Amino acid sequence: QKEVEQDPGPLSVPEGAIVSLNCTYSNSAFQYFMWYRQYSRKGPELLMYTYSSGNKEDGRFTAQVDKSSKYISLFIRDSQPSDSATYLCAMSAHTGANSKLTFGKGITLSVRP
Amino acid sequence: KAGVTQTPRYLIKTRGQQVTLSCSPISGHRSVSWYQQTPGQGLQFLFEYFSETQRNKGNFPGRFSGRQFSNSRSEMNVSTLELGDSALYLCASSRDGANEKLFFGSGTQLSVL
Repeated sequence: QKEVEQDPGPLSVPEGAIVSLNCTYSNSAFQYFMWYRQYSRKGPELLMYTYSSGNKEDGRFTAQVDKSSKYISLFIRDSQPSDSATYLCAMSAHTGANSKLTFGKGITLSVRP
Repeated sequence: KAGVTQTPRYLIKTRGQQVTLSCSPISGHRSVSWYQQTPGQGLQFLFEYFSETQRNKGNFPGRFSGRQFSNSRSEMNVSTLELGDSALYLCASSRDGANEKLFFGSGTQLSVL
C-alpha cells in the first residue's frame, strides 16, 4: 500500500461545478498537508497548506483534513476553465530539517466552458 | 523576484550516458530539493540540500547524486542512464528548509533513448 493514495481521474466537469478532490494516507505521523496545482509543462505551485485537522478556506478553494480517518480533501467552488490542471496532494510528518514531502500521483481536472 | 530556474528545459540522451541538470533557487532560499516525476510513479523525492550539505535523501540508486554551491545553486547528476530514468526532474527551493512550502521550477524533461 502506498503511503498516499489519490483518485487517479481524470475528472471532467462543466464550468461552475463544485469539484471535490480527495487523498487518503496511511502514515499517522503526517501533520502537514498541502495541495499543489500543476499546469501543463510547468512545475507544481502551492495552492493550500494546512496543519493538523480542520478546514481552511481561500477564495473558491477549501482544504479539509480529517486525521482520524486519514483523509484530506480539496473543494473548488464555481470551477473555471482556468482551474484545468493536475492537482497533487502532499504531506509531511515534520518541518525543517529531515522533512520531506510525500506526494499523491495527482488527478487531472478539466473544466469545460 | 525571479522564480526557480532550471536548465536545460529539455534533454535527450542515450543509455549509458551521464547528465547534469542545474537549478537556481529563489534569491535568499537556502534549501533546494530535487524530485523525479513520471506518469507511473508520480512525484518522488530524490534529495535535499541545505547550506551545501545533503540533509535528506530518497530511495534512489547511487547513480543519482547532487551538490549545492555556496550561492545555493544546485546540480544533480545521473550517471549510466537507463531508459527508466526518462522523467521530468523538478527542483524546488524554500527559504529555511521548511519543505511544506516549496517553490518549484518548471523542470527538465529528460528523455533517454
